[in-house]
Amino acid sequence: ILNVEQSPQSLHVQEGDSTNFTCSFPSSNFYALHWYRWETAKSPEALFVMTLNGDEKKKGRISATLNTKEGYSYLYIKGSQPEDSATYLCASAGTYKYIFGTGTRLKVLA
Amino acid sequence: GAVVSQHPSWVICKSGTSVKIECRSLDFQATTMFWYRQFPKQSLMLMATSNEGSKATYEQGVEKDKFLINHASLTLSTLTVTSAHPEDSSFYICSAREGLADEQFFGPGTRLTVL
Repeated sequence: ILNVEQSPQSLHVQEGDSTNFTCSFPSSNFYALHWYRWETAKSPEALFVMTLNGDEKKKGRISATLNTKEGYSYLYIKGSQPEDSATYLCASAGTYKYIFGTGTRLKVLA
Repeated sequence: GAVVSQHPSWVICKSGTSVKIECRSLDFQATTMFWYRQFPKQSLMLMATSNEGSKATYEQGVEKDKFLINHASLTLSTLTVTSAHPEDSSFYICSAREGLADEQFFGPGTRLTVL
């Protein structure tokens, strides 16, 4: 059984600060790593799908890196804004199902 | 992007009653739909996978007679929690996938409270 862990569980940052979170996953039988942004009462929104070791993807102020050999991915937010407040989920995708972490809850203070 | 709706967004019911939750793909054909459950401070846990027109495949430990899943069309799947008990109180969320695409698109979830 895969075990996906995210850290920290939650954090508060000031507007304008940059921050990052970690997603750890078993490196054996890796297929893909997904990052989602989830605001309360809304659907999780897909941010990135990463498959290759060394992958680095960027979407505006948000970027992510992937290390499949050691089993971790980092999500970075540059210059955090209050609208970035959300829970950030990662999921390790096998051939037919996703295994989710518990998420990192980010609160950006104005 | 692809949109998945879920209804109701929250429901409160009495113990022993059944509750039906609908999951719809609004702008694509959901060949496969997934149902997840999330207990407080835990991760989303897959309950079952359903392919249109086929019986759902349940994960280990999930009772198929208690959580009835129907995926009769390419845009609609339903989850019925039968004879609900307080321990079934949880957050239920569906996702949908078109064909063999990697991406799953999620609904906003349903908060079920059983009194």
